[in-house]
Amino acid sequence: QQQVKQSPQSLIVQKGGISIINCAYENTAFDYFPWYQQFPGKGPALLIAIRPDVSEKKEGRFTISFNKSAKQFSLHIMDSQPGDSATYFCAASFSNTGNQFYFGTGTSLTVIP
Amino acid sequence: ETGVTQSPTHLIKTRGQQVTLRCSSQSGHNTVSWYQQALGQGPQFIFQYYREEENGRGNFPPRFSGLQFPNYSSELNVNALELDDSALYLCASSLVGGPGELFFGEGSRLTVL
Repeated sequence: QQQVKQSPQSLIVQKGGISIINCAYENTAFDYFPWYQQFPGKGPALLIAIRPDVSEKKEGRFTISFNKSAKQFSLHIMDSQPGDSATYFCAASFSNTGNQFYFGTGTSLTVIP
Repeated sequence: ETGVTQSPTHLIKTRGQQVTLRCSSQSGHNTVSWYQQALGQGPQFIFQYYREEENGRGNFPPRFSGLQFPNYSSELNVNALELDDSALYLCASSLVGGPGELFFGEGSRLTVL
C-alpha cells in the first residue's frame, strides 16, 4: 500500500511561472512532511519541511501548504527557474520511529527558459 | 563538515551473487538508514541502524542485511541477488533527537544481470 501518493508524475513550466506538486497521505499519525529535491546523479536533498501544527511554511520561493483534514500537502515553487529543473519527492514520517521516511513516487519538473 | 559518502558508485553483478555496499556517515550523525530507489520511483526504506543495532526495517527480505560500526560507518549486504535488486541504493545519515532531516549520499548504482 502506497502510504504517500504524489502527482503529477511530470510537470513543464515556463520560466517565471508557478510550479505546484501535490501529495496525499494515508496515516494520520505522520507528523513530519519534508520535500526533497534530486538532481540527476545525486542523492535527494532536503528542500523544505513542515509539521502538522501549521498550515503553511515559506522559505524563499518555496512554500508548503498543509491541509490536515484532507490529509494533503503541496509544494509551490514561485518564479520557477531553469535551475529548479529536478525531480521532487514528498515524504512523511513518524517522529517516534526515528527517521523512517515514506516517499512519494516523484515529480519530474522541467522549467523552460 | 564532511557529507555522506558511498562506495562503490557503480557495480555490475550477476544473479545469485552477493554484494556489499559501504557508507560513511556525516560527521556527528549517529543514525544511518538505507533506501532502495528503483528507476523512476521514490526511495523505499530498507532499514535503519542506531548504536550498531537495527532500529527499524521496511518490507525487504532477510537477504538484505546491514552493519553499523562504532565510527558510524555502515554496510549494506545483499545475498542471492535477483534481477529486481537492480536499483540505486542510497545511504542517509541523521541525528536521533535532531530536526528529522536525512542527509543522503549520491548512491551506489547496482545492476544485476
